[in-house]
Amino acid sequence: GAGVSQTPSNKVTEKGKYVELRCDPISGHTALYWYRQSLGQGPEFLIYFQGTGAADDSGLPNDRFFAVRPEGSVSTLKIQRTERGDSAVYLCASSLMGNTEAFFGQGTRLTVV
Amino acid sequence: KQEVTQIPAALSVPEGENLVLNCSFTDSAIYNLQWFRQDPGKGLTSLLLIQSSQREQTSGRLNASLDKSSGRSTLYIAASQPGDSATYLCAVMDNNDMRFGAGTRLTVKP
Repeated sequence: GAGVSQTPSNKVTEKGKYVELRCDPISGHTALYWYRQSLGQGPEFLIYFQGTGAADDSGLPNDRFFAVRPEGSVSTLKIQRTERGDSAVYLCASSLMGNTEAFFGQGTRLTVV
Repeated sequence: KQEVTQIPAALSVPEGENLVLNCSFTDSAIYNLQWFRQDPGKGLTSLLLIQSSQREQTSGRLNASLDKSSGRSTLYIAASQPGDSATYLCAVMDNNDMRFGAGTRLTVKP
């Protein structure tokens, strides 16, 4: 596709449920980032992939959060036992390689009720 | 750990004014700095990317400058228009680690 695609655009889930958020980066981009954004705040770093490997996962808030990128393209952010505090917009970005211009998707708005 | 600060948090100007948005960062060892625009409920749109070796970049009515040694960048918007109303975010790239400021919410009044 022409840009970064994130699905779903909106997700409402009950507290305690498991959710998966998907990111399709721009074709050929090796670097992929996940961020979380709360209302009125800047994006907060979660995890960075270079190819298939998580080069930096220091932003994941706890072990309920996990992300994969098995073939070096599509990435899935997985959240177990969701809590109301997980409600936020989850943003994905990709870049051709590390340290180059990043392009963002439209985000997934997650609401935990 | 890199800290990015944007001032002011919000700015309201009449249409036609020139304006400057500020971004500061604590660690000058950066690869690049990128300015984004975010409309309500939307993702981020890349505006300008300045490499660490560059001093400024221009795109249309936008000009971004970078002073790495002092840890500062500015985004200059000329002849502002109501369509420029959005939140402007700066992000600093430091060895694959991209950190954001909280943004400046700009309102341009017709």
